[in-house]
Amino acid sequence: EVQLVESGGGLIQPGGSLRLSCAASGFTVSTNYMSWVRQAPGKGLEWVSVLYSGGSTYYADSVKGRFTISRDNSKNTLYLQMNSLRAEDTAIYYCARYPKYDYGMDVWGQGTTVTVS
Amino acid sequence: DIQMTQSPSSLSASVGDRVTITCRASQGIRNYLAWYQQKPGKVPKLLIQAASTLQSGVPSRFSGSGSGTDFTLTISSLQPEDVATYYCQKCDSAPRTFGQGTKVEIK
Repeated sequence: EVQLVESGGGLIQPGGSLRLSCAASGFTVSTNYMSWVRQAPGKGLEWVSVLYSGGSTYYADSVKGRFTISRDNSKNTLYLQMNSLRAEDTAIYYCARYPKYDYGMDVWGQGTTVTVS
Repeated sequence: DIQMTQSPSSLSASVGDRVTITCRASQGIRNYLAWYQQKPGKVPKLLIQAASTLQSGVPSRFSGSGSGTDFTLTISSLQPEDVATYYCQKCDSAPRTFGQGTKVEIK
């Protein structure tokens, strides 16, 4: 079964750091395009970052310079390192897969909650 | 960066009604557009990609159209289980921006 399972969320003080993990099963992270998407309480979806299969990374302006997306091929796991956290980073963080470059995200994790307070 | 604007932000319609949601890109994105459905408290679900290609298992009452800057998601006959917020997303280059969402309710 194709599945994504996030972990690593929690309560963190402003200025702190947190690393989110997204363990994949049923497919290979390194051969897909992988993203992080977040949703603040009561708000819409916000695209955060993407890691292409070739290794290129891109970020939303709101997190650029503070967040880093990466993967561990041996663990088939995607990560999001979040530094200098702010109250406005409080959200549910989802990881998701794009099966191809110009496709939508067809597999989503259940989300992990980050609260910055 | 390209902005994605959805309208309306919310709508209320009766069961069986035809519902149309629009998504406008500030610059042309060819057909690189996806639509998602997010039911309350649930994870988003991909409905349509490449502007008009229905994902496997999605009811045929959902359809998508458009190219360039203007796109639509249509529910041909609204059902109670369609109550959700719908998002469009550009699927070409980063940033892969979402629209702000359209909340669909039953009248």
